[in-house]
Amino acid sequence: EAQVTQNPRYLITVTGKKLTVTCSQNMNHEYMSWYRQDPGLGLRQIYYSMNVEVTDKGDVPEGYKVSRKEKRNFPLILESPSPNQTSLYFCASSRRQGSETQYFGPGTRLLVL
Amino acid sequence: GENVEQHPSTLSVQEGDSAVIKCTYSDSASNYFPWYKQELGKRPQLIIDIRSNVGEKKDQRIAVTLNKTAKHFSLHITETQPEDSAVYFCAASILPGNQFYFGTGTSLTVIP
Repeated sequence: EAQVTQNPRYLITVTGKKLTVTCSQNMNHEYMSWYRQDPGLGLRQIYYSMNVEVTDKGDVPEGYKVSRKEKRNFPLILESPSPNQTSLYFCASSRRQGSETQYFGPGTRLLVL
Repeated sequence: GENVEQHPSTLSVQEGDSAVIKCTYSDSASNYFPWYKQELGKRPQLIIDIRSNVGEKKDQRIAVTLNKTAKHFSLHITETQPEDSAVYFCAASILPGNQFYFGTGTSLTVIP
């Protein structure tokens, strides 16, 4: 089954404790992206990747890191999480470019205390 | 960067009526405009998109119009059904479409 998976789905952590949210797709997609969703703010893009070893900043990259060492995986790293990073995070992928249909993962709900 | 504004934030319609959601954008270079539907507790899903070389696009009960001069685009849903109830997001991007800017969402409720 073609899908985008994220882990964990729910996470409660404390300020400053490094964490990684994994994203994996099994569709051989080149484009992958991370978004955060906050009430009243909609979706905001954090980082995107057009292929292996090619990443670029989105609209709100501060406090986040990403890597794309393999085509299927695009982890989101929070080196020192802060309460303002409490949010719902979505990973998405598309075949080659973002203008093709983006398939979203199920989301990761993060609470930083 | 690009700024996308979306209105209204909430919209209630009677089943069978039409619903219209409007978005404006600031960057005249934007030329790709997707719309996403997000049902409660679910992930966003692309429902329709339009590129700036086209003024209107339809897919069954859904249509999107684009006015490049005024820098606004709209989603039209006709003959609304309860299953259309969801949050709808517009977005803008510059082709080939790697960086996206989203509107703040419209919560549509279709009253049976």
